Amino acid sequence: DAGITQSPRHKVTETGTPVTLRCHQTENHRYMYWYRQDPGHGLRLIHYSYGVKDTDKGEVSDGYSVSRSKTEDFLLTLESATSSQTSVYFCAIGEQGVRSYNEQFFGPGTRLTVL
Amino acid sequence: QKEVEQDPGPLSVPEGAIVSLNCTYSNSAFQYFMWYRQYSRKGPELLMYTYSSGNKEDGRFTAQVDKSSKYISLFIRDSQPSDSATYLCATPGTSYGKLTFGQGTILTVHP
Repeated sequence: DAGITQSPRHKVTETGTPVTLRCHQTENHRYMYWYRQDPGHGLRLIHYSYGVKDTDKGEVSDGYSVSRSKTEDFLLTLESATSSQTSVYFCAIGEQGVRSYNEQFFGPGTRLTVL
Repeated sequence: QKEVEQDPGPLSVPEGAIVSLNCTYSNSAFQYFMWYRQYSRKGPELLMYTYSSGNKEDGRFTAQVDKSSKYISLFIRDSQPSDSATYLCATPGTSYGKLTFGQGTILTVHP
């Protein structure tokens, strides 16, 4: 998985609790992304980062926040989890270049269940 | 309108069949298109990459872009059970550093 790890890999939590998912890379790529994947919706971008402390919103950012204090780590936080945030979350990394900015490498995913 | 749309299927074919997977996109200015393959409970991985129009071939896989109809296709020849996966089309659209994905098509190749 191109030097990308996600933790935890599985998590069950209750509505209203805070949850933080971690993505760690060893590739020194500039770009990092958080997606969620749900049946019928494919992959949807939540937030992304184009450098340390540089982040921006994606398509489905409501209810999520992110932080990136180091090149290798990108954290996704659900401040108060809701059942609609039950999903599989994927982290991805990418690098800019003539064509390489288009290619993203994905982590193994985190399966989150909010009861 | 989403930048790229894909029929989610599912699609079930016998081993050895030719498979055609398709997406449509919204803006004729889009130039880069990708196909990702995702095995069950794994992250997606890049399968094919095309720029502008025409065909690109890699072994049993052919990616095709028809700009006149804003249609992208992935063909799999001599399909194998190991090709069973979800296939997602993607494009950066006109943005930089981001991709928009189709909904994904679930393909099953049965022996």
